[in-house]
Amino acid sequence: SAVISQKPSRDICQRGTSLTIQCQVDSQVTMMFWYRQQPGQSLTLIATANQGSEATYESGFVIDKFPISRPNLTFSTLTVSNMSPEDSSIYLCSVEAGTGNTIYFGEGSWLTVV
Amino acid sequence: GQNIDQPTEMTATEGAIVQINCTYQTSGFNGLFWYQQHAGEAPTFLSYNVLDGLEEKGRFSSFLSRSKGYSYLLLKELQMKDSASYLCAVRADRGSTLGRLYFGRGTQLTVWP
Repeated sequence: SAVISQKPSRDICQRGTSLTIQCQVDSQVTMMFWYRQQPGQSLTLIATANQGSEATYESGFVIDKFPISRPNLTFSTLTVSNMSPEDSSIYLCSVEAGTGNTIYFGEGSWLTVV
Repeated sequence: GQNIDQPTEMTATEGAIVQINCTYQTSGFNGLFWYQQHAGEAPTFLSYNVLDGLEEKGRFSSFLSRSKGYSYLLLKELQMKDSASYLCAVRADRGSTLGRLYFGRGTQLTVWP
């Protein structure tokens, strides 16, 4: 299995500000995934982050709003820029690891924008 | 597009057996995952099926039929702590997005005493 740590676990943010979420994995992984889960909804993929290349964004998500860094094989950051109340969500980091290519999630970062 | 369907809500009593169904239509298939998510927590991995058949893991079992685009999660000897949302997710093999999951909306299971 993989141990995935996310920071911050929770935060209350002011409208118009930006927040960077960190994701640290206890093993080297090729790809890291960032998901969003809005209240009462299921998970939606924001982007896929490969080390050494630009992140690949899903339809409806853009780099200016959600810039991602992937400086090495164990770490990634997601920034939520110019936040609005609609960005209030759980943001989850995910990796594929272990036998059977199981996909694991971090503990999540609960953001509330006021 | 990708389509993952599962019931929105289910209820059952303690000690009973419940089956949560999931049907999917995706442009590729490279495995189906079930996750449990308690309120206020992140999803935790329950099971992974890539071949047809039944995978058993303690009180939880998961079944897959690729030809029918169908899976179910079977929970036996239900306990109150099993009250949670159960997420069905499909990994669609699309080249550089290996590992990427498509999620259903989740089934909220309530276990009554």
